[in-house]
Amino acid sequence: SAVISQKPSRDICQRGTSLTIQCQVDSQVTMMFWYRQQPGQSLTLIATANQGSEATYESGFVIDKFPISRPNLTFSTLTVSNMSPEDSSIYLCSAGLGRADTQYFGPGTRLTVL
Amino acid sequence: GENVEQHPSTLSVQEGDSAVIKCTYSDSASNYFPWYKQELGKGPQLIIDIRSNVGEKKDQRIAVTLNKTAKHFSLHITETQPEDSAVYFCAASPGGRAAGNKLTFGGGTRVLVKP
Repeated sequence: SAVISQKPSRDICQRGTSLTIQCQVDSQVTMMFWYRQQPGQSLTLIATANQGSEATYESGFVIDKFPISRPNLTFSTLTVSNMSPEDSSIYLCSAGLGRADTQYFGPGTRLTVL
Repeated sequence: GENVEQHPSTLSVQEGDSAVIKCTYSDSASNYFPWYKQELGKGPQLIIDIRSNVGEKKDQRIAVTLNKTAKHFSLHITETQPEDSAVYFCAASPGGRAAGNKLTFGGGTRVLVKP
């Protein structure tokens, strides 16, 4: 397994601002993923972040709104840009280990936008 | 794309009884099926997984069964304890780097174990 940490654990932000969420893995991994989990809901994949290439975004998510960086094999960031109250969610990162389809999750970042 | 349906959405059981959660998937190419447990305020924790070359897998009080023909898989928790209370998610993936290893999650089941 892997130990995955996220910063910040929670934040309250004003409409129109941006927040960058950091994800750190305790081992080198090729694939990292970013998910959104709205209150009481399931997980929705935002994008896949592979080191050395551009992130791949899922339908309904765009790079201008959720820019992602993946500077090395243990770290990734997700920025939520120009936030609105509809962006209030838990944002989770995960790392693909073993056969890379086994994903381990961080504790999440709880974001509230006022 | 893949679609995963999960039932029931809530499940209340008496301590010591068994709990069963069922999921169906749509993409016959899916071959990896993990189950996650999410406690309040925490990230999902992988509790067990199964691949398509296996019909059943067991780990202490939890077991997962897979029926590829019918495209459904189930989580069984025996001798439930209050600490089993959480939200459980099933997921499916076509696996392999070429497919992007993307997981599609079910809607979740909130399990409450009553002492």
